[in-house]
Amino acid sequence: QLQLQESGPGLVKPSETLSLTCIVSGGSIRSTNSYWGWIRQPPGKELEWMGSIEYSGTTHYNPSLKSRVAISIDTSKNQFSLRLSSVTAADTAVYYCARDTGHYDVDYWGQGTLVTVSS
Amino acid sequence: DVVMTQSPLSLPVTLGQPASISCRSSLSLRYRDGNTYLNWYQQRPGQSPRRLIYRVSNRDSGVPDRFSGSGSGTDFTLKISRVEAEDVGVYYCMQGTHGPGTFGQGTKVEIK
Repeated sequence: QLQLQESGPGLVKPSETLSLTCIVSGGSIRSTNSYWGWIRQPPGKELEWMGSIEYSGTTHYNPSLKSRVAISIDTSKNQFSLRLSSVTAADTAVYYCARDTGHYDVDYWGQGTLVTVSS
Repeated sequence: DVVMTQSPLSLPVTLGQPASISCRSSLSLRYRDGNTYLNWYQQRPGQSPRRLIYRVSNRDSGVPDRFSGSGSGTDFTLKISRVEAEDVGVYYCMQGTHGPGTFGQGTKVEIK
């Protein structure tokens, strides 16, 4: 059974960079037809797909975040990471890492981690 | 981006009674390969979302058969034939036909 687990700081200051890592267990991050991504949910708001990465390193980003978001992958550690720059209070959210198998078909989710942007 | 509109946003239901959630998209979700990339997710209190239905009507492994999905084009429905206490939570539709994938606002199912 594939499992994903997010880790990273729960508090980030405005204008700084949010960094999270997702460790994948129970399966290889190198598997074909897998896209490793990030989805967030601000308090009381809708889920938002942020972006994803293939094991080859090819990335796909939501245009609304494209200038601030970067996703990377470390196949040797079976993990992938999110960086979101120049954060504001609007970036306060629960961040989920997830796997999809194409066409944003998310079938596995991490448990989620709350990141608060505040000074 | 494709806008997904769910209704109702709140759904009080009596145990054992049916429930139905509507999801409408601003564009047709039929893709050129013939598939329609519309999923349903359940988020129980304090948990991460769980996929229930993929490509409109395919139930995930372990999902009770009281859950069913239907629809085409821009109109989709999730039905629960007989609501049980464990079905309490928020239900989201999500489209993956047009990038980026987008979610509905969520429908909160609670027991009357």
